[in-house]
Amino acid sequence: GDSVTQMEGPVTLSEEAFLTINCTYTATGYPSLFWYVQYPGEGLQLLLKATKADDKGSNKGFEATYRKETTSFHLEKGSVQVSDSAVYFCALSDISGGTSYGKLTFGQGTILTVHP
Amino acid sequence: DADVTQTPRNRITKTGKRIMLECSQTKGHDRMYWYRQDPGLGLRLIYYSFDVKDINKGEISDGYSVSRQTQAKFSLSLESAIPNQTALYFCATSDLGGRGLYGYTFGSGTRLTVV
Repeated sequence: GDSVTQMEGPVTLSEEAFLTINCTYTATGYPSLFWYVQYPGEGLQLLLKATKADDKGSNKGFEATYRKETTSFHLEKGSVQVSDSAVYFCALSDISGGTSYGKLTFGQGTILTVHP
Repeated sequence: DADVTQTPRNRITKTGKRIMLECSQTKGHDRMYWYRQDPGLGLRLIYYSFDVKDINKGEISDGYSVSRQTQAKFSLSLESAIPNQTALYFCATSDLGGRGLYGYTFGSGTRLTVV
């Protein structure tokens, strides 16, 4: 079945540091890929998405590129802020096979803490 | 008001009790989902529904049941709660296309503790 693997956390950075959170996936079809963010005490919010190979999703300074050859969708940000402290989830939605169930499959989440 | 509302926000219950978690949405989406979040395990799908007459099991449905009362309401029940069902539960909706291209909308979660 489909699966998503994220780098183990937690990740602790100083403000203005560069962030990378690795994400790789396994899917039988051709999935859409997502990053969700969960701030303390809140539900998940869509951060960015990509629907086909070489697409780059971006939002709030975060970026991720859909790499089909390496089955990866790594999240990056050039300069993190304290307000970026949250849990980040990589996810995929596989619609291939003619039956578009569109269920999201999540990675285990990566806790990011940014210190001033 | 939130697009997806979950009640209660927090609940402590005893082993063996029946408990219902409720979810209502104002997005007008046909598809609704229940996920469970455990530390280090991400979110796992319990049940999902594509319309009022369509209910499907997810990867961890044992010990849970659901009811889709209307397009807007989707409730999750634990018939006889056990401690390993202690977790954070999320309801979510998505549009008919199901690709989630516009993102899934999540509720704020229900933190359930079974003692």
